[in-house]
Amino acid sequence: LAKTTQPISMDSYEGQEVNITCSHNNIATNDYITWYQQFPSQGPRFIIQGYKTKVTNEVASLFIPADRKSSTLSLPRVSLSDTAVYYCLVGDGAYSGGGADGLTFGKGTHLIIQP
Amino acid sequence: GAVVSQHPSRVICKSGTSVKIECRSLDFQATTMFWYRQFPKQSLMLMATSNEGSKATYEQGVEKDKFLINHASLTLSTLTVTSAHPEDSSFYICSARDRGQGADTQYFGPGTRLTVL
Repeated sequence: LAKTTQPISMDSYEGQEVNITCSHNNIATNDYITWYQQFPSQGPRFIIQGYKTKVTNEVASLFIPADRKSSTLSLPRVSLSDTAVYYCLVGDGAYSGGGADGLTFGKGTHLIIQP
Repeated sequence: GAVVSQHPSRVICKSGTSVKIECRSLDFQATTMFWYRQFPKQSLMLMATSNEGSKATYEQGVEKDKFLINHASLTLSTLTVTSAHPEDSSFYICSARDRGQGADTQYFGPGTRLTVL
C-alpha cells in the first residue's frame, strides 16, 4: 500500500475554507484515495473518495492532479464541529476477488477550528 | 447507507476474563471485515482481516490465539479478547468493506472501549 504524508496539524477559523494536502508519491494504478474524519473515541467517518480529477459531495471536495501523487481535501466554510483528525489513505479500490487489504493509517492531520 | 455497528460500546472487565465484541454491517453485505486497535493519541493499527466463511488473517505481532475472530455471516464478525490483561485495554474498531461500483470503501463502526482492570 502506498505511504501517505500529511501535515501533523492545521489551524483555521470558523467560516473559512480549509485545504489539507496529502502526498502519496508511490500510488499505484489501481489505488483510490479516501479521506476519513475521526473524532475522539469514535470510529473514522468516511468523507470522500476519488481516483482522479475532482470529486465533490455534500461535505467536501477532493482535488487530484493528473499525476495523482498528491490530493487535497477541501472543506468549505468550516465550523467548530469540524475540529477532528483527518486521515488520507490510498489503497486498491478495485475489487479483485482475491481478498482485501486493511488500511494503513498514518498519523493524520489534527485540524483545529477556532471561533 | 453503509452503516456499521459495534456492540458493546464500552466494556470493563477483570483481568483474565474474555470479552466478545460484535461488528455488524447493517445495510450491506461484507465478505470482508477488519479489526483495528487504537491506543490514546495514536493512529489506528490493523490487527486482522476477517473473511466470511474462512480463517482470519492476522497482522504481524498480533496473537491469533488471544484475539479470536469469527465471521460467520455476511453481516457479522466477532472479536473475542481471551484472558484479557490490562495491556489489552484499548479502543477496538471494526470496519466492513462495501463492494461498490468500481471502488471498494471501508466503513467503520463506532468503536468499543475496553478497559481491563
